[in-house]
Amino acid sequence: KAGVTQTPRYLIKTRGQQVTLSCSPISGHRSVSWYQQTPGQGLQFLFEYFSETQRNKGNFPGRFSGRQFSNSRSEMNVSTLELGDSALYLCASYPMTGQGTQYFGPGTRLLVL
Amino acid sequence: ELKVEQNPLFLSMQEGKNYTIYCNYSTTSDRLYWYRQDPGKSLESLFVLLSNGAVKQEGRLMASLDTKARLSTLHITAAVHDLSATYFCAPTGIIFGKGTRLHILP
Repeated sequence: KAGVTQTPRYLIKTRGQQVTLSCSPISGHRSVSWYQQTPGQGLQFLFEYFSETQRNKGNFPGRFSGRQFSNSRSEMNVSTLELGDSALYLCASYPMTGQGTQYFGPGTRLLVL
Repeated sequence: ELKVEQNPLFLSMQEGKNYTIYCNYSTTSDRLYWYRQDPGKSLESLFVLLSNGAVKQEGRLMASLDTKARLSTLHITAAVHDLSATYFCAPTGIIFGKGTRLHILP
């Protein structure tokens, strides 16, 4: 079974721009969650989607948004990028919401200049 | 709001030694997950602990869960260099500890 895939893997943007990251979960998994990982703050939960509905949201500003499509693929968007948004963005998928081990993708490394 | 505290945050140890990583959390959770992350890589699942008193072992790693004490431990037995990584605990599954960076010296 193919694992979680994330695109792009690396991205360089400038302040004020916006970015969209994509995540394709493992086939059959209906839940996707997103995390931001930085050296200072560690691994922080952004949001969780199940069957196209946002089920949980972390403590991030409204510039961070996401969505999930009917095929369970998910996207997250960050508008008006700030230098502090530079991070590794990880997506994880699992069969059902709130249950079971999460399977993480390789991440998208975003650098904001 | 769930708070998760791992300690130590950094651990340097000799090969062959034993050590324990602790994960304390602030609110009730009936499950807990342990993950491993190698430098520059993503997270990989190690253990899922689903009930009070649960114990899981894989090779030199053993994890346990005490839901009453809100404590999980990850015990390393006779450490080897290949276990060098960062280890995260995650009660509930979406809130993670800051991670314990384990460096095992040959």
